[in-house]
Amino acid sequence: DIQVTQSPSSLSASVGDTVTISCRTSESITRHLNWYQQTPGKVPKLLIYLATTLQNGVPSRFAGGGSGTDFTLTISGLQPEDFATYYCQHSYTTPHSFGQGTKVEIK
Amino acid sequence: EVQLVQSGAEVKKPGESLKISCKASGFSFATTWIGWVRQRPGKGLEWVGIIYPRDSDTRDSPALQGQVTMSVDKSLNTAYLQWGSLEASDSATYFCARRRLEMATIDAFDVWGQGTMVTVSS
Repeated sequence: DIQVTQSPSSLSASVGDTVTISCRTSESITRHLNWYQQTPGKVPKLLIYLATTLQNGVPSRFAGGGSGTDFTLTISGLQPEDFATYYCQHSYTTPHSFGQGTKVEIK
Repeated sequence: EVQLVQSGAEVKKPGESLKISCKASGFSFATTWIGWVRQRPGKGLEWVGIIYPRDSDTRDSPALQGQVTMSVDKSLNTAYLQWGSLEASDSATYFCARRRLEMATIDAFDVWGQGTMVTVSS
């Protein structure tokens, strides 16, 4: 099975900051990497698929990058509604494991 | 409207059986993979497995293999997740999700159910 490791597990930032979350897989998944956002008590929401493609309706301040084994999610100009937990997930071969999550908290 | 509506919260005792449901509408259920994701209290998302309703082809997580069973009823556009003998460690919120799969363009869970909270306690 492909292992997925996110870092950091949490970070503190202020409104307007730019933050980057990393996701690494144990073997190459080309670009089969998704990002989800989950706010407390809510359902996960798909943000980005195929490493860089924004899901419909997702603001352009979210950007995905990377390929192979190393990927990033960058949020430029954090907004109050962006404070949440973010998960990466690979979709290369089953099981499509998730990373452990990165909680973005208000500084 | 595309949506997945899950059954309500459950409280069970260890050793009991359980079947939770996920009813789909607004898309072709038979030809769309449906996935299940577990989230234990205060923890992250865990991929449980996926099922293809047309032929009930399933792919499940080795970590949960044998502990839970996925099934569907195509006539009801409904997917199910069931346990034969619950354990306290099964306590979690279980989400169903639509797997949007278009070769070389997307393979992700793009629509999610609201979640079913399962509590197993003596």
